[in-house]
Amino acid sequence: ETGVTQSPTHLIKTRGQQVTLRCSSQSGHNTVSWYQQALGQGPQFIFQYYREEENGRGNFPPRFSGLQFPNYSSELNVNALELDDSALYLCASSFYRGPRFSYEQYFGPGTRLTVT
Amino acid sequence: AQKITQTQPGMFVQEKEAVTLDCTYDTSDPSYGLFWYKQPSSGEMIFLIYQGSYDQQNATEGRYSLNFQKARKSANLVISASQLGDSAMYFCAMTPGANNLFFGTGTRLTVIP
Repeated sequence: ETGVTQSPTHLIKTRGQQVTLRCSSQSGHNTVSWYQQALGQGPQFIFQYYREEENGRGNFPPRFSGLQFPNYSSELNVNALELDDSALYLCASSFYRGPRFSYEQYFGPGTRLTVT
Repeated sequence: AQKITQTQPGMFVQEKEAVTLDCTYDTSDPSYGLFWYKQPSSGEMIFLIYQGSYDQQNATEGRYSLNFQKARKSANLVISASQLGDSAMYFCAMTPGANNLFFGTGTRLTVIP
């Protein structure tokens, strides 16, 4: 069973640029969630994708967008980067059974983004 | 709205001793899940244990157990027989049966040899 993978591991961008982060979900999982973890904080939910559609979104502006592909891999895109976007971006995959079921999410190693 | 509170920024424990990491939560949803994750310095979040709000018994996974007190809205993690490799950040999280995890601010555990 292959775990969740993310690329790249580290990234340095300049304010105003755009960035794309990638995630491959664990085999057998149909859902991908993205989280932002600022230094010294717990992860904050950005959004989730299920069956290639956004299935919930946290309190993040529209310049944070995403995609899910038929093989359940996913991308997180951030436009017009700001200094506060510097963080560890975590991808998590899970098997979504419906809105009333709790389920564990399995995380990748993260992408550390630095915006200068 | 959901809220997770972890009041211990840092904890120390002697190797081979047990330690309890505190977590309280707040939600108006009658159905929810509670989770603990471990985050080593490498950054990856490692799933440890899950407790459903309707589960009658406390969850256990090897050396990890979750002390679930529903009336008090607490979900403390107990690690028995601490090992040096247990040194890490520990996050309590919950999901109201929905699609996102709400995390606390974490507790940094240091195991002393």
